[in-house]
Amino acid sequence: DAKTTQPPSMDCAEGRAANLPCNHSTISGNEYVYWYRQIHSQGPQYIIHGLKNNETNEMASLIITEDRKSSTLILPHATLRDTAVYYCIVRIKNTGANSKLTFGKGITLSVRP
Amino acid sequence: GAGVSQSPRYKVAKRGQDVALRCDPISGHVSLFWYQQALGQGPEFLTYFQNEAQLDKSGLPSDRFFAERPEGSVSTLKIQRTQQEDSAVYLCASSPRTGYSGNTIYFGEGSWLTVV
Repeated sequence: DAKTTQPPSMDCAEGRAANLPCNHSTISGNEYVYWYRQIHSQGPQYIIHGLKNNETNEMASLIITEDRKSSTLILPHATLRDTAVYYCIVRIKNTGANSKLTFGKGITLSVRP
Repeated sequence: GAGVSQSPRYKVAKRGQDVALRCDPISGHVSLFWYQQALGQGPEFLTYFQNEAQLDKSGLPSDRFFAERPEGSVSTLKIQRTQQEDSAVYLCASSPRTGYSGNTIYFGEGSWLTVV
Protein backbone atom coordinates (compact mmCIF):
# COMPACT_ATOMS: atom_id res chain seq x y z
CA ASP A 1 0.00 0.00 0.00
CA ALA A 2 1.16 3.54 -0.70
CA LYS A 3 2.25 5.54 2.32
CA THR A 4 0.57 8.75 3.37
CA THR A 5 1.95 11.78 5.15
CA GLN A 6 -0.07 14.06 7.38
CA PRO A 7 0.91 16.95 9.64
CA PRO A 8 0.96 15.81 13.27
CA SER A 9 -1.65 18.26 14.47
CA MET A 10 -3.85 21.21 13.69
CA ASP A 11 -6.62 23.17 15.33
CA CYS A 12 -9.64 25.11 14.25
CA ALA A 13 -12.39 27.18 15.81
CA GLU A 14 -15.75 25.65 16.56
CA GLY A 15 -18.22 26.33 13.76
CA ARG A 16 -15.53 26.87 11.16
CA ALA A 17 -14.49 24.46 8.43
CA ALA A 18 -11.64 22.10 9.24
CA ASN A 19 -9.46 21.23 6.26
CA LEU A 20 -7.23 18.24 6.91
CA PRO A 21 -4.50 17.63 4.31
CA CYS A 22 -2.94 14.35 3.26
CA ASN A 23 -0.16 13.58 0.81
CA HIS A 24 -0.04 10.25 -0.99
CA SER A 25 2.37 10.98 -3.83
CA THR A 26 3.04 7.30 -4.63
CA ILE A 27 -0.61 6.29 -4.90
CA SER A 28 -1.45 3.87 -7.69
CA GLY A 29 -4.44 3.92 -9.98
CA ASN A 30 -5.97 0.94 -8.20
CA GLU A 31 -5.83 2.48 -4.70
CA TYR A 32 -8.58 4.24 -2.80
CA VAL A 33 -8.16 7.08 -0.31
CA TYR A 34 -9.92 6.37 3.00
CA TRP A 35 -10.39 8.57 6.03
CA TYR A 36 -11.08 7.27 9.52
CA ARG A 37 -11.09 9.09 12.82
CA GLN A 38 -10.56 7.95 16.36
CA ILE A 39 -12.04 9.81 19.27
CA HIS A 40 -10.28 9.20 22.56
CA SER A 41 -10.99 5.76 24.05
CA GLN A 42 -13.05 4.64 21.07
CA GLY A 43 -12.41 2.47 18.04
CA PRO A 44 -11.70 4.04 14.64
CA GLN A 45 -14.77 5.36 12.86
CA TYR A 46 -15.18 5.36 9.10
CA ILE A 47 -15.69 8.83 7.60
CA ILE A 48 -15.45 8.70 3.83
CA HIS A 49 -13.50 7.23 0.93
CA GLY A 50 -12.90 7.97 -2.74
CA LEU A 51 -10.99 6.85 -5.80
CA LYS A 52 -10.57 9.92 -7.97
CA ASN A 53 -13.78 11.93 -7.82
CA ASN A 54 -14.64 14.25 -4.97
CA GLU A 55 -17.03 12.70 -2.49
CA THR A 56 -19.47 14.09 0.06
CA ASN A 57 -21.56 12.47 2.75
CA GLU A 58 -23.30 13.58 5.91
CA MET A 59 -20.03 13.74 7.84
CA ALA A 60 -17.53 15.29 5.48
CA SER A 61 -16.29 16.04 1.99
CA LEU A 62 -13.23 14.52 0.36
CA ILE A 63 -11.38 16.51 -2.26
CA ILE A 64 -8.82 14.56 -4.30
CA THR A 65 -6.44 16.44 -6.58
CA GLU A 66 -6.50 15.65 -10.26
CA ASP A 67 -3.13 13.90 -10.12
CA ARG A 68 -4.37 12.00 -7.01
CA LYS A 69 -1.16 12.77 -5.13
CA SER A 70 -2.95 14.56 -2.32
CA SER A 71 -6.36 14.98 -0.79
CA THR A 72 -8.18 17.11 1.76
CA LEU A 73 -10.83 16.06 4.20
CA ILE A 74 -13.25 18.87 4.95
CA LEU A 75 -15.44 19.01 8.02
CA PRO A 76 -17.73 21.90 7.06
CA HIS A 77 -18.75 23.06 10.54
CA ALA A 78 -16.44 21.63 13.16
CA THR A 79 -17.78 20.99 16.65
CA LEU A 80 -16.00 20.14 19.87
CA ARG A 81 -17.01 16.50 19.32
CA ASP A 82 -14.90 16.44 16.16
CA THR A 83 -11.74 16.62 18.26
CA ALA A 84 -10.00 13.36 17.36
CA VAL A 85 -7.10 11.73 15.52
CA TYR A 86 -7.84 11.58 11.79
CA TYR A 87 -6.19 8.91 9.67
CA CYS A 88 -5.70 9.17 5.92
CA ILE A 89 -5.20 5.68 4.49
CA VAL A 90 -4.52 4.38 1.02
CA ARG A 91 -6.03 0.99 0.37
CA ILE A 92 -5.54 -1.33 -2.56
CA LYS A 93 -8.60 -2.00 -4.66
CA ASN A 94 -9.72 -5.57 -5.25
CA THR A 95 -7.07 -7.34 -3.25
CA GLY A 96 -8.93 -10.61 -3.29
CA ALA A 97 -8.32 -12.13 0.10
CA ASN A 98 -7.03 -9.28 2.15
CA SER A 99 -8.12 -5.68 2.12
CA LYS A 100 -6.68 -4.52 5.41
CA LEU A 101 -6.22 -0.89 6.37
CA THR A 102 -2.69 0.26 7.15
CA PHE A 103 -2.75 3.14 9.63
CA GLY A 104 -0.09 5.80 10.07
CA LYS A 105 0.09 8.21 12.99
CA GLY A 106 -2.71 10.42 11.77
CA ILE A 107 -3.34 14.07 12.45
CA THR A 108 -4.70 15.26 15.76
CA LEU A 109 -7.45 17.81 15.22
CA SER A 110 -8.29 20.02 18.17
CA VAL A 111 -11.46 22.06 17.89
CA ARG A 112 -11.40 25.05 20.19
CA PRO A 113 -14.49 26.81 21.57
CA GLY B 1 -26.12 -6.17 17.84
CA ALA B 2 -25.75 -3.21 15.58
CA GLY B 3 -21.99 -2.93 15.71
CA VAL B 4 -18.83 -4.89 16.42
CA SER B 5 -18.85 -5.99 20.04
CA GLN B 6 -15.73 -6.77 22.04
CA SER B 7 -15.25 -8.20 25.49
CA PRO B 8 -13.88 -7.71 28.01
CA ARG B 9 -13.65 -3.97 27.59
CA TYR B 10 -10.85 -3.80 30.15
CA LYS B 11 -8.53 -6.51 31.32
CA VAL B 12 -5.67 -6.43 33.81
CA ALA B 13 -3.43 -9.48 33.66
CA LYS B 14 -0.42 -10.44 35.68
CA ARG B 15 2.70 -11.09 33.68
CA GLY B 16 2.75 -14.69 32.58
CA GLN B 17 -1.03 -15.11 32.58
CA ASP B 18 -2.96 -16.18 29.52
CA VAL B 19 -5.75 -13.92 28.25
CA ALA B 20 -8.58 -14.38 25.76
CA LEU B 21 -10.28 -11.49 24.02
CA ARG B 22 -13.59 -11.99 22.28
CA CYS B 23 -15.00 -10.31 19.19
CA ASP B 24 -18.59 -10.49 17.92
CA PRO B 25 -18.56 -9.01 14.41
CA ILE B 26 -21.55 -7.48 12.70
CA SER B 27 -23.93 -10.28 11.74
CA GLY B 28 -23.21 -11.70 8.31
CA HIS B 29 -19.85 -10.02 7.89
CA VAL B 30 -17.42 -12.24 6.06
CA SER B 31 -14.15 -10.49 6.84
CA LEU B 32 -12.75 -10.05 10.34
CA PHE B 33 -9.59 -8.23 11.38
CA TRP B 34 -7.63 -7.88 14.60
CA TYR B 35 -5.45 -4.85 15.29
CA GLN B 36 -3.18 -3.87 18.16
CA GLN B 37 -2.86 -0.24 19.21
CA ALA B 38 -0.14 0.90 21.58
CA LEU B 39 -0.53 4.16 23.45
CA GLY B 40 -0.08 7.14 21.15
CA GLN B 41 0.25 5.04 18.01
CA GLY B 42 -2.03 4.11 15.15
CA PRO B 43 -3.57 0.63 15.03
CA GLU B 44 -1.27 -2.12 13.75
CA PHE B 45 -2.64 -5.07 11.79
CA LEU B 46 -2.41 -8.47 13.46
CA THR B 47 -4.47 -10.96 11.50
CA TYR B 48 -7.32 -11.43 9.03
CA PHE B 49 -10.10 -14.00 8.63
CA GLN B 50 -12.35 -14.69 5.71
CA ASN B 51 -15.19 -16.65 7.29
CA GLU B 52 -13.41 -19.32 9.37
CA ALA B 53 -10.19 -19.27 7.35
CA GLN B 54 -7.26 -17.31 8.73
CA LEU B 55 -5.77 -15.98 5.52
CA ASP B 56 -3.22 -13.57 6.90
CA LYS B 57 -1.45 -13.73 10.24
CA SER B 58 1.60 -11.78 9.21
CA GLY B 59 1.10 -9.14 11.91
CA LEU B 60 1.05 -11.46 14.92
CA PRO B 61 4.12 -10.40 16.92
CA SER B 62 5.06 -13.79 18.31
CA ASP B 63 3.89 -17.36 18.66
CA ARG B 64 2.32 -16.35 21.97
CA PHE B 65 -0.47 -14.76 19.96
CA PHE B 66 -3.15 -16.98 18.51
CA ALA B 67 -6.48 -16.16 16.89
CA GLU B 68 -9.37 -18.31 15.81
CA ARG B 69 -12.81 -18.00 14.27
CA PRO B 70 -14.02 -21.60 14.19
CA GLU B 71 -17.56 -21.07 12.90
CA GLY B 72 -16.95 -18.00 10.82
CA SER B 73 -18.61 -15.58 13.21
CA VAL B 74 -17.24 -14.96 16.72
CA SER B 75 -13.46 -14.68 16.98
CA THR B 76 -11.10 -15.02 19.90
CA LEU B 77 -7.61 -13.56 20.21
CA LYS B 78 -5.54 -15.44 22.75
CA ILE B 79 -2.28 -14.22 24.23
CA GLN B 80 -0.25 -16.74 26.16
CA ARG B 81 2.26 -15.90 28.90
CA THR B 82 1.53 -12.19 28.68
CA GLN B 83 4.40 -9.72 28.83
CA GLN B 84 4.33 -6.05 29.72
CA GLU B 85 4.89 -5.08 26.09
CA ASP B 86 1.57 -6.74 25.26
CA SER B 87 -0.20 -3.89 27.06
CA ALA B 88 -2.29 -2.22 24.37
CA VAL B 89 -5.78 -1.83 22.99
CA TYR B 90 -6.85 -4.76 20.85
CA LEU B 91 -9.30 -3.75 18.17
CA CYS B 92 -11.55 -6.06 16.21
CA ALA B 93 -13.11 -5.00 12.91
CA SER B 94 -15.37 -6.58 10.32
CA SER B 95 -16.56 -5.91 6.80
CA PRO B 96 -19.34 -7.42 4.73
CA ARG B 97 -17.50 -8.69 1.70
CA THR B 98 -14.16 -9.94 0.54
CA GLY B 99 -11.92 -8.64 -2.16
CA TYR B 100 -13.77 -5.46 -3.02
CA SER B 101 -11.97 -2.65 -1.27
CA GLY B 102 -14.88 -0.29 -1.68
CA ASN B 103 -16.61 -1.94 1.25
CA THR B 104 -16.26 -0.36 4.64
CA ILE B 105 -14.46 -1.84 7.63
CA TYR B 106 -16.23 -1.27 10.96
CA PHE B 107 -14.34 -1.29 14.23
CA GLY B 108 -15.32 -2.26 17.74
CA GLU B 109 -14.50 -0.18 20.81
CA GLY B 110 -11.51 -2.33 21.66
CA SER B 111 -10.31 -4.41 24.59
CA TRP B 112 -7.85 -2.53 26.79
CA LEU B 113 -5.21 -4.92 28.11
CA THR B 114 -2.83 -3.93 30.87
CA VAL B 115 -0.15 -6.39 31.92
CA VAL B 116 1.30 -5.78 35.36
